[in-house]
Amino acid sequence: DQQVKQNSPSLSVQEGRISILNCDYTNSMFDYFLWYKKYPAEGPTFLISISSIKDKNEDGRFTVFLNKSAKHLSLHIVPSQPGDSAVYFCAALTGFQKLVFGTGTRLLVSP
Amino acid sequence: KAGVTQTPRYLIKTRGQQVTLSCSPISGHRSVSWYQQTPGQGLQFLFEYFSETQRNKGNFPGRFSGRQFSNSRSEMNVSTLELGDSALYLCASSPGHRKVTYEQYFGPGTRLTVT
Repeated sequence: DQQVKQNSPSLSVQEGRISILNCDYTNSMFDYFLWYKKYPAEGPTFLISISSIKDKNEDGRFTVFLNKSAKHLSLHIVPSQPGDSAVYFCAALTGFQKLVFGTGTRLLVSP
Repeated sequence: KAGVTQTPRYLIKTRGQQVTLSCSPISGHRSVSWYQQTPGQGLQFLFEYFSETQRNKGNFPGRFSGRQFSNSRSEMNVSTLELGDSALYLCASSPGHRKVTYEQYFGPGTRLTVT
């Protein structure tokens, strides 16, 4: 039972353009969402988060949007850079420190 | 501040054996969580320890167990290894106070291969 879904396994974008990564969830009890970036042979790195009481959170080139009614969130990266190429995981927090992850989207930013 | 460290980084075991993985959290962090990453299932939560107590548990069989020591270091044990246990095992630490911070800091993982 996948409570957090990332339906696009991969995304290719040109440098300088916008990257939009999507995530859907099914559990309306989730109250905090996070995005992690993962490079090969490394652990995931926290990127940005959003509380369910907000609909947008911005940090530099990264913006996360939350649509609670649609149970959907998205991560926008503007402008995209080749160094952004990685696997991006969407996660939802439930209980004490328990993260439920999506299966990830591999982003490739080409020069 | 040193990050989360995990040992060993790579491990090869045979079916039926048992294995112990170790995780040292960031200094001052009291919560340690363990995750399993496989290509098909993504990152799945195993369990979380806070102040030497298991505070949360995922949906894994009893072959998977863990513990936490008074210095917050944690170990994870898998007994009677199966081929399907081959995965990257990730440890994450956080201060542990849910209302203070939600972000977890991950270690590089231990790559376990079961043959």
